[in-house]
Parts: sequence; structure tokens; C-alpha cells
Amino acid sequence: EVQLLESGGGLVQPGGSLRLSCVASGFTFNKYVMSWVRHPPGKGPEWVSAVDGSGGNTYYTDSVKGHFTITRDNSKNTLYLQMNSLRAEDTAIYYCARDSHDSGNYFTGFHYGMDVWGQGTTVTVSS
Amino acid sequence: QSALTQPPSASGSPGQSVTISCTGTSSDVGGYKYVSWYQHHPGRAPKLILSEVNKRPSGVPDRFSGSKSGNTASLSVSGLQAEDEADYYCSSYSGTNNLGVFGGGTRLIVL
Repeated sequence: EVQLLESGGGLVQPGGSLRLSCVASGFTFNKYVMSWVRHPPGKGPEWVSAVDGSGGNTYYTDSVKGHFTITRDNSKNTLYLQMNSLRAEDTAIYYCARDSHDSGNYFTGFHYGMDVWGQGTTVTVSS
Repeated sequence: QSALTQPPSASGSPGQSVTISCTGTSSDVGGYKYVSWYQHHPGRAPKLILSEVNKRPSGVPDRFSGSKSGNTASLSVSGLQAEDEADYYCSSYSGTNNLGVFGGGTRLIVL
């Protein structure tokens, strides 16, 4: 079964850090671009970041550039999101998602959709 | 990058049809055939139900269909069933940032 399972969320004070993980199973992980998408309370989803199949190319939304870092370990079928200098506006449920196309080289999640999602992990930034 | 505009809610009775709109600009929805729709039951993983405006992934019932006119895309659900009650989100590729944007979401209520 194709599956994504996130972990690592929690309550953190402003300025703090968290590292999210997403373990993939049931598909050839390194063939797919993987993304993090967050869903703040009361708002629509926001795509955060993506990484290509090799881990060599990364993409970020402007609001997280410089304080979030996306990486992957293909030997462990795991995607990561290192979040530093967290702010209240980073509070959200964070989902990992797979590009529906297995090109592996370019982020096409907004072209062809993201077809596999995890159930999410909740990040709350509050003092 | 502004979110795409969706109505907060939509409703219909079992067996009826309902349409949800998703309005953007000529830089996103209107400029490309790259609109996707997601179904999300809270607490569960979101599900891709349409891509490239009207393409259904394997396993998605043909009760779900999509269209686009100008800067507005639409999701239509026919033969409403109780399990269709969920949040629906659109997304579109955007030429402004070469990435994309999501809509604010629509809660579909099956009466």
C-alpha cells in the first residue's frame, strides 16, 4: 500500500525549532518529487517546499526561505523539514505529499497534482 | 501570491448535483490548464480527485467532473452521496512565481 506517515510536530515557543519527518512506503521513493504542504487553522492550504528525487534541487515558498530546510534520505525513504526561527504564523497541520508524476526531476505538483498525502502532523507555535 | 477564491460552503441533497467554483486570475487559473481539486475529510489524508482541469485519477468516481471558463474553474459533483461531505480545495499552477496556489476551500454539506 502506498503510504506517507508524518511525525515530529508539537508545541514550540516562538523562535524555536522542530524537525518534521515523513516516512514513505509502497513506492519507489527516489523517483518522486516530494513536498510539504501546510494547512493553517481557518485558512486554505499553503504549499511550503519541495525537493526533487535526488535531493539536489529544492523549492520554497517565499515566507519560509531562510528558515525552513527540506531534505530527504532515499536510503531511509524519508523526507524531512527542518523548521527554525518558528513564528506564530507557522502554526498549521503539516502534510507531506507526492507529485503525481514520477519524473523525479522537476516539481510539477501544481501542474499535475499531488496524488499521495499523509495524515499530517500538527505544529503549534505559541508561548 | 493570493489564494484562489472559493465559496466557503455549498450544499445539496443526496442524489442532487452541486458545483463549486474556484476563481483566480489570468496568471494562474485563466492562463493554464493546470487546475487540480482535492477532497479532504478532516483528520484524514487529502485526496486528489481531479488534475489538469478535468482528469480523474484512477479510482475517482465519474460523478466528479471539472471544467474551466476564463479565470474560473469549477468542480461538479453529481449524484451526491453522504460520503461526499468534505472540504474541497482547488489549486492552480501560477506563472507569477512558477509555482502555484491553493484555494481557501469549500465545505460541501450533504443535507
